Amino acid sequence: GIQVEQSPPDLILQEGANSTLRCNFSDSVNNLQWFHQNPWGQLINLFYIPSGTKQNGRLSATTVATERYSLLYISSSQTTDSGVYFCAVYAYNTDKLIFGTGTRLQVFP
Amino acid sequence: EPEVTQTPSHQVTQMGQEVILRCVPISNHLYFYWYRQILGQKVEFLVSFYNNEISEKSEIFDDQFSVERPDGSNFTLKIRSTKLEDSAMYFCASTLMGGTDADTQYFGPGTRLTVL
Repeated sequence: GIQVEQSPPDLILQEGANSTLRCNFSDSVNNLQWFHQNPWGQLINLFYIPSGTKQNGRLSATTVATERYSLLYISSSQTTDSGVYFCAVYAYNTDKLIFGTGTRLQVFP
Repeated sequence: EPEVTQTPSHQVTQMGQEVILRCVPISNHLYFYWYRQILGQKVEFLVSFYNNEISEKSEIFDDQFSVERPDGSNFTLKIRSTKLEDSAMYFCASTLMGGTDADTQYFGPGTRLTVL
């Protein structure tokens, strides 16, 4: 089945710093979503981005489907950005999201 | 903004007992899902459900698990005889379009199941 790998596994930042999280996938996909899992365990939708670039405030994402990767950019990080960031993909001919391994982000004041 | 809701938020049960986890998907959505996340691990797919039928299920979703849409709003996951290894966070999700036209999946806040 399709493999979804994320890097780095852990990231520690000081407030105000910028960061880039990467998601690689091993096969063609029909859809890709980015989530933020907050300290209470809730999965918050960030982006639905099968291809191209989207921006939402301090966050933006780019997916290059032909090269099988997606990037999540966080600018001017805040302590509330802390948590785990997951990417998840739909492979063709499936009806499920396959989650990556996650990047744990800690932002300190 | 419409959201997926789940009850209870936390359930503690004894090994061998039956549990039912409940979800209310977004009202106009047609595709429904259950996922689980064992503590510290990634989120894993359990089952997808469309038109009152299971459309896909994972190896985890064995005979101990079942899903049902008993009415027009609820979507339930039943575990018949819980095991210690069933302890996890269970997420319900829904979307308007699934399959090859898959749209954004919206996740509920989760039910944390603890099996003692």
